[in-house]
Amino acid sequence: DTEVTQTPKHLVMGMTNKKSLKCEQHMGHRAMYWYKQKAKKPPELMFVYSYEKLSINESVPSRFSPECPNSSLLNLHLHALQPEDSALYLCASSQSVSGMAGELFFGEGSRLTVL
Amino acid sequence: GQNIDQPTEMTATEGAIVQINCTYQTSGFNGLFWYQQHAGEAPTFLSYNVLDGLEEKGRFSSFLSRSKGYSYLLLKELQMKDSASYLCAPKGDSNYQLIWGAGTKLIIKP
Repeated sequence: DTEVTQTPKHLVMGMTNKKSLKCEQHMGHRAMYWYKQKAKKPPELMFVYSYEKLSINESVPSRFSPECPNSSLLNLHLHALQPEDSALYLCASSQSVSGMAGELFFGEGSRLTVL
Repeated sequence: GQNIDQPTEMTATEGAIVQINCTYQTSGFNGLFWYQQHAGEAPTFLSYNVLDGLEEKGRFSSFLSRSKGYSYLLLKELQMKDSASYLCAPKGDSNYQLIWGAGTKLIIKP
């Protein structure tokens, strides 16, 4: 059983919709991540939160808006997405950001389809 | 620049041994991770190397040579469930970011 929980597992949305992806972990990890993964490609880092503060934004378009309400929760708000944004969105957490403690624990992902 | 090279696909037989190689060039080095990813699922952690040498964990072992920018993942007594993609991911100067290889798709045949 994964200890990082993502909802929803599947999401279909139109280009004018507003939706959110949610992620939760109860391992006491202080770093949380959003990755995007296209088929047969490695994960691409989008955002990193460390101690609930946004530490990394990998030049992600503003139609993706992350939020970290507390140390256990991470959201990704979606608005005015494009069909090319269709992908598997992976949330991950790690004990810290360095060394072995930087081992990532991934959720099962939210598969997003934009029509 | 930063670059990770690993074979795109490999085929092996159930019960055999396979070695998946990874060469990397990174700006700085803070360890190297291997992850396994089954189709349609999230990656799961396999191993972490930060010093040169071999780390053994059950049927899986991982080797690192920092001077050569080289790592390999060794899988023994292959099982059908080992059919998956194996992702090599060194960590460079940035403590936050793994640099992901494209992954090696391993196909196990009976």
